[in-house]
Amino acid sequence: NAGVMQNPRHLVRRRGQEARLRCSPMKGHSHVYWYRQLPEEGLKFMVYLQKENIIDESGMPKERFSAEFPKEGPSILRIQQVVRGDSAAYFCASSPRQGLSGNTIYFGEGSWLTVV
Amino acid sequence: GQQVMQIPQYQHVQEGEDFTTYCNSSTTLSNIQWYKQRPGGHPVFLIQLVKSGEVKKQKRLTFQFGEAKKNSSLHITATQTTDVGTYFCAGADPIYNQGGKLIFGQGTELSVKP
Repeated sequence: NAGVMQNPRHLVRRRGQEARLRCSPMKGHSHVYWYRQLPEEGLKFMVYLQKENIIDESGMPKERFSAEFPKEGPSILRIQQVVRGDSAAYFCASSPRQGLSGNTIYFGEGSWLTVV
Repeated sequence: GQQVMQIPQYQHVQEGEDFTTYCNSSTTLSNIQWYKQRPGGHPVFLIQLVKSGEVKKQKRLTFQFGEAKKNSSLHITATQTTDVGTYFCAGADPIYNQGGKLIFGQGTELSVKP
C-alpha cells in the first residue's frame, strides 16, 4: 500500500558497511513490522515495534541487526557490517493496532539491499 | 515453531485455464491472509479469512479457509495474463497473536501463457 513509505528503494553497500532503511507507517498507524524476503523465498518476520518500544524481535538475527521506532520520525532498520547474505528485499508494514484477531497489515514498496 | 507450507511452488497455465494454490499450517490459525506480489513489487493484500469453513469470492478469485482452520486455498477461474505474480498465504498464530506477526508460506508463482 502506497501509504507506507520506505526509503531508499534501492541501496547498494560494500561488505562491511552499514545499511539504514527507513519506514514511515500509514497515517494513524502506530505499529510497524519489518519483514525480509530473500530471492525466490517468502517473507520472514523480523521485528514488531510500537513507538519507542520493541514488542517482538524474535525474527531478528542476533548480531548486526537492530531496529527502532522513535517517538518522532520513521522506523529505522539498521544493519551493521553488511555481508553478501544480507542482500534481500526488506519490507515494512504497519497496522493501526495489534493483538486483535483479523488485523490486516499494509506493506510498503520495499527496500532492495544489494551487498557487493 | 509454526510453519506454513504452500504448494505448488510454480504453476504455468495457458490463459483461460484455472489455477489453485494450497496452504497448510502446522498449527491452528486465528486467521489467514492472502497476498499477491508482482515481480519486483511488494505484497498486496487480497483478502482475510477468519471463520472456520469460510469461503469468499472476489470476481474470478475464490478463497477458502478449512474447517479446522489449518488450511486454505486460492482458486482463480479462467486465468488472465494480469493474474501473473506470486501468491502468498500468511497465517496468524492464535496463541501468539501479535497483530502483524504473520507466518508466510513460500508462495506460488503463477505464469500465464497468452
